[in-house]
Amino acid sequence: SQTIHQWPATLVQPVGSPLSLECTVEGTSNPNLYWYRQAAGRGLQLLFYSVGIGQISSEVPQNLSASRPQDRQFILSSKKLLLSDSGFYLCAWSSQRENEQFFGPGTRLTVL
Amino acid sequence: AQSVSQHNHHVILSEAASLELGCNYSYGGTVNLFWYVQYPGQHLQLLLKYFSGDPLVKGIKGFEAEFIKSKFSFNLRKPSVQWSDTAEYFCAVIRNTGGFKTIFGAGTRLFVKA
Repeated sequence: SQTIHQWPATLVQPVGSPLSLECTVEGTSNPNLYWYRQAAGRGLQLLFYSVGIGQISSEVPQNLSASRPQDRQFILSSKKLLLSDSGFYLCAWSSQRENEQFFGPGTRLTVL
Repeated sequence: AQSVSQHNHHVILSEAASLELGCNYSYGGTVNLFWYVQYPGQHLQLLLKYFSGDPLVKGIKGFEAEFIKSKFSFNLRKPSVQWSDTAEYFCAVIRNTGGFKTIFGAGTRLFVKA
């Protein structure tokens, strides 16, 4: 069966520091991959999605970037964190045929 | 711009009460529709989905949703809620044109009193 992992689960970082959040999927190949930010009362905001290795689409201009170095690995990064980057970050995957998305456990990021 | 509206941000019900959570979307083309649920401390997971066919869709745990194309709505219902239904519910829409961008509503927090 397929599983999706995210780490770390929680992270506290100072303003101006770099960020790297990792997401990996097991049990499937060539998935579509997604990064979302979940804010209370605002639902899920799609940040990036990827349909293949090295293919990244950005939905919202911001201080963050994404990379997909391997088929089942999706990384969310920042060179210099801002206070406004605090939030709950979710990774998700879907198959190439179905639009149903499967979500990871999320990473709670606090920027101080 | 394409959007998804969930009418209630917070709902409080007693056990055995009936539930209906509203969801409306703005996209006029063919869509796939979803309800996701996030129980306290758990992953976001699929509750039910509509792709085509019978507009009344049944999901897990006794939930159902009805797609009304003329109203651009996909309301979630359950005839009798339980305490274990306490969770946050998200409506989501994706265009059925090969795109990948799923638009989520803001979510509805449901609290069921025992």
